[in-house]
Amino acid sequence: DQQVKQNSPSLSVQEGRISILNCDYTNSMFDYFLWYKKYPAEGPTFLISISSIKDKNEDGRFTVFLNKSAKHLSLHIVPSQPGDSAVYFCAALLFGNEKLTFGTGTRLTIIP
Amino acid sequence: KAGVTQTPRYLIKTRGQQVTLSCSPISGHRSVSWYQQTPGQGLQFLFEYFSETQRNKGNFPGRFSGRQFSNSRSEMNVSTLELGDSALYLCASRRDTERSPLHFGNGTRLTVT
Repeated sequence: DQQVKQNSPSLSVQEGRISILNCDYTNSMFDYFLWYKKYPAEGPTFLISISSIKDKNEDGRFTVFLNKSAKHLSLHIVPSQPGDSAVYFCAALLFGNEKLTFGTGTRLTIIP
Repeated sequence: KAGVTQTPRYLIKTRGQQVTLSCSPISGHRSVSWYQQTPGQGLQFLFEYFSETQRNKGNFPGRFSGRQFSNSRSEMNVSTLELGDSALYLCASRRDTERSPLHFGNGTRLTVT
C-alpha cells in the first residue's frame, strides 16, 4: 500500500524553465513533508520541507506547495539548471512519529 | 563537519550467508535510521535507534536487525540472506529535535547471488 505516490517516474525540462514535481498522499495523518534529491551512487540530500499548517515554503529556487484538501504537494524549481538533474523523492512524516515514508521518486532531466 | 559514513560501499554475498553493515553518524547526532532502497519498492524504513535503543521499526522480517553503540555508531545485520535482499542500504542520522531532517550516507550496495 503506497501511501506516498509520485506518479511521474520521469520528467524532462529545458534549462531555465520551471520544473514541477508532483506528489500525492493518502494518509491524512501525515503532518510534515520533505523533498530529497538523489544523485547516482550518493545518498539522498535534503532539499526543503513544509509543515501541514502551511501551504507554501520557499528556499531560493525551490518552492514547495501543499494542498491538504487534495492531499497533494508539489516542488517547483525555477529556473531549472543542469545540476538539478537527479531523482527527486517526496517523503512524509506522521504526527508524533519520525519514520519517513517515501514516494518512489521522479527522475528529472534538465536539457541544456 | 564529516557527513554520515557507511562501510563498506559494496558487498557481494551468497544466499544463506549473513552480513553486517556499519554506519557512523554526523557528530552530535544521536538518532540513526536505516532504509532499504530497491528499484521496485523505493526507499523503505527498516529501523531507528536512539541512545542505543530501537525507537521505531519498519515491516521487515526478523532476519533484519540492528544495534547502536554508546558513541552513536550503528550496525545493521541481515542473516540468512535471500536474493531479494539485494539492495542499497542507506543509513541516516538526525539531530534529536522535532522534525529535523535526515542526513543520509552514500549507502552500501549489497548484492546477493
